[in-house]
Amino acid sequence: EPEVTQTPSHQVTQMGQEVILRCVPISNHLYFYWYRQILGQKVEFLVSFYNNEISEKSEIFDDQFSVERPDGSNFTLKIRSTKLEDSAMYFCASSSVGEKLFFGSGTQLSVL
Amino acid sequence: DQQVKQNSPSLSVQEGRISILNCDYTNSMFDYFLWYKKYPAEGPTFLISISSIKDKNEDGRFTVFLNKSAKHLSLHIVPSQPGDSAVYFCAASATQYSGGGADGLTFGKGTHLIIQP
Repeated sequence: EPEVTQTPSHQVTQMGQEVILRCVPISNHLYFYWYRQILGQKVEFLVSFYNNEISEKSEIFDDQFSVERPDGSNFTLKIRSTKLEDSAMYFCASSSVGEKLFFGSGTQLSVL
Repeated sequence: DQQVKQNSPSLSVQEGRISILNCDYTNSMFDYFLWYKKYPAEGPTFLISISSIKDKNEDGRFTVFLNKSAKHLSLHIVPSQPGDSAVYFCAASATQYSGGGADGLTFGKGTHLIIQP
């Protein structure tokens, strides 16, 4: 069964550093998403991406965040200058038109 | 602003019995509801969904009921099995038919279901 893959599974970084989280969505999907879950809290929507541009973003997705689809397969989330409160599990997801979202296993980001 | 609420952080059910997980929502624009299951160290996996034009959807041991007037949905699992032990997230969308959900999904905080042998 096709799946969304995310790398790395764990990322440790120093506060103020840039991080890039990588995702390979399911190949025929057109919509791509990033969500995050801070420990003990709910899964929160960050951003959706369609047709090479951001469709929607939440209040969390401020100027420190950016997304990119650099080639036909990868979808990345960049955090320019990480803060302690960015520590969370970040989930990538993809979907086809009008279909449910498929999630990756997540990248655990720890900002020290 | 909790648009999707799961008021029970945990639920313990005996194997073989029925598990009922509840979810309430406040946004009347939501028209598509999903349940996701999540094991530790894994991403959420889709379980079952329901459109607002229905009040029930069944898939094997899983049934979702939607009460639009009460803005309430529930997931029934019967019979419950040990492998059902996981965190269950209720999620909602207002954009099922606008191309995959550009607004993304709004999740509840989850209910940790524990199936006891």
